[in-house]
Amino acid sequence: LAKTTQPISMDSYEGQEVNITCSHNNIATNDYITWYQQFPSQGPRFIIQGYKTKVTNEVASLFIPADRKSSTLSLPRVSLSDTAVYYCLVGDAPPRSARQLTFGSGTQLTVLP
Amino acid sequence: GAGVSQSPRYKVAKRGQDVALRCDPISGHVSLFWYQQALGQGPEFLTYFQNEAQLDKSGLPSDRFFAERPEGSVSTLKIQRTQQEDSAVYLCASSLVRQATEKLFFGSGTQLSVL
Repeated sequence: LAKTTQPISMDSYEGQEVNITCSHNNIATNDYITWYQQFPSQGPRFIIQGYKTKVTNEVASLFIPADRKSSTLSLPRVSLSDTAVYYCLVGDAPPRSARQLTFGSGTQLTVLP
Repeated sequence: GAGVSQSPRYKVAKRGQDVALRCDPISGHVSLFWYQQALGQGPEFLTYFQNEAQLDKSGLPSDRFFAERPEGSVSTLKIQRTQQEDSAVYLCASSLVRQATEKLFFGSGTQLSVL
């Protein structure tokens, strides 16, 4: 299974761009990278998914370098409501095992006023 | 409903009691997952269904844990003879297609406290 490593916590201020990097050194050829966001007392919520280069949607961008050993979730102009835990997941499609969807401990992002 | 629904939202059990946690996935979703989330930790995989078939139960921590999805929609996670270490939030997620790396939709979870 591809293991992921993320910072435990990050602080930012409102209006800033936040970049959270995830390391996945043993990512396999078929693996995709997916990010989820979790607020207290809620289940995780899908943010973005990608395989290589750059993916952008209405809430975030995902940057994946050519070697795919890491990925960076970019949140533009964060607000207080972006305070949450962010998880990076790596797994292939179709998965060899549902256990590949391993969340890890995530990154606690705190946005300060 | 529009999303994944879990009930009850909170459950308090005395040690040794049996509990049953229910998950109503989004209508038509093929895949269903159960996760266990301890305080301050990320969700840990428990088991996975594709329609009514339980394809992976390797994450269930002991034989006291049992999950079913008999008609391929609603799922129940049962914990027998609960122990204090079972206290956690139990999350259910569903997805539309058979590829598990597609977008997962999570419920808000059931918070289980074993006294």
